[in-house]
Amino acid sequence: NAGVTQTPKFRVLKTGQSMTLLCAQDMNHEYMYWYRQDPGMGLRLIHYSVGEGTTAKGEVPDGYNVSRLKKQNFLLGLESAAPSQTSVYFCASSYDPNPMNTEAFFGQGTRLTVV
Amino acid sequence: QKEVEQDPGPLSVPEGAIVSLNCTYSNSAFQYFMWYRQYSRKGPELLMYTYSSGNKEDGRFTAQVDKSSKYISLFIRDSQPSDSATYLCAMSVVGTSYDKVIFGPGTSLSVIP
Repeated sequence: NAGVTQTPKFRVLKTGQSMTLLCAQDMNHEYMYWYRQDPGMGLRLIHYSVGEGTTAKGEVPDGYNVSRLKKQNFLLGLESAAPSQTSVYFCASSYDPNPMNTEAFFGQGTRLTVV
Repeated sequence: QKEVEQDPGPLSVPEGAIVSLNCTYSNSAFQYFMWYRQYSRKGPELLMYTYSSGNKEDGRFTAQVDKSSKYISLFIRDSQPSDSATYLCAMSVVGTSYDKVIFGPGTSLSVIP
């Protein structure tokens, strides 16, 4: 069981370039999340999805777009990368939206540097 | 003031020591508390969770909540080098969903053999 797989694991972008981060889960989870992790700050939610075809904004959505065309995949896009988007990005998924009911499983992260 | 605060460390202890990791929070409505362990270059994984006040024990790990002080702790007994990781606390209001969970910034722990 692969769990949650993120692609790529590392990437360096130039300011203004675009890219898409892919998250794939094989647990048939309805709920998927994209976080960023920065030094001295907790995980911050960028966008999330409550099912195929749905997306919603989290705490820090600006500069990012997402799509959930298939239940198992959740894509995070950066249309015009900025140095402030240098971060480690984590995808997670859960069977239920309530943390009291179910555990969220995280991918291994994507380290993105924007120069 | 951040909603959830943790001392970032790094905390370095000898093998076998008792470790205390702590978080403070400002929202008195938080009643569900989680601890995640994150190894270097890996994603967080749920270690323990507690509801409301009191202690919960799981092997060498004990999670403690003091709601009156808005303070939670994770104790690790007989610490091992394999416990070297960053520990994130996380919390939420009962009945809310993952999009409302607040994570602390994490404390980096090194257990020296």
